[in-house]
Amino acid sequence: GAVVSQHPSWVICKSGTSVKIECRSLDFQATTMFWYRQFPKQSLMLMATSNEGSKATYEQGVEKDKFLINHASLTLSTLTVTSAHPEDSSFYICSARVKGQRSSYNEQFFGPGTRLTVL
Amino acid sequence: RKEVEQDPGPFNVPEGATVAFNCTYSNSASQSFFWYRQDCRKEPKLLMSVYSSGNEDGRFTAQLNRASQYISLLIRDSKLSDSATYLCVVNSAAYNTDKLIFGTGTRLQVFP
Repeated sequence: GAVVSQHPSWVICKSGTSVKIECRSLDFQATTMFWYRQFPKQSLMLMATSNEGSKATYEQGVEKDKFLINHASLTLSTLTVTSAHPEDSSFYICSARVKGQRSSYNEQFFGPGTRLTVL
Repeated sequence: RKEVEQDPGPFNVPEGATVAFNCTYSNSASQSFFWYRQDCRKEPKLLMSVYSSGNEDGRFTAQLNRASQYISLLIRDSKLSDSATYLCVVNSAAYNTDKLIFGTGTRLQVFP
């Protein structure tokens, strides 16, 4: 149980285009999903917290107009990188917390990640 | 100072060796602690949660020292398949939040 999928697994695009990444919880409902970014040899950095039916909460330094997050249902969150540039090339990973789980328990289930390369 | 600090390694050990990783965290109000494993170009996978009394799962033992704000992971009888990056993860201690803060990871390479 507790499987999270991401699509696409990798994407190559030209500078200036927008890229949408989907994150789905396959066998559970997730009120909260998280979007992370990981540059080579660096740690996962939280970009934003996405709650179903409400606006995402962005971390300091993350542009909300550039990284659009939509969490329209309890099983789907999307991240759209608008007008992508080469410096946005990274490994984007989502995670989800099971609905009803105590926040103090805090286990998150991670998707397999999406590798974005912007030319 | 980083919220979660780890020695990046790499730790190169022979099969069968015992290896220990340490991690320190800066916020004394943190409540939840985890070790995750991340293979190259893959997502992190939960290895084990870390409880105040210490806990063991097979060859893996995790310890928490709240007074020193220190977490450890001990791997006994290392296998080749243990080669990976081990991430120390702590929850954010800010009120009403469940953010996880990741360390940069400690790389382990087990050789034959």
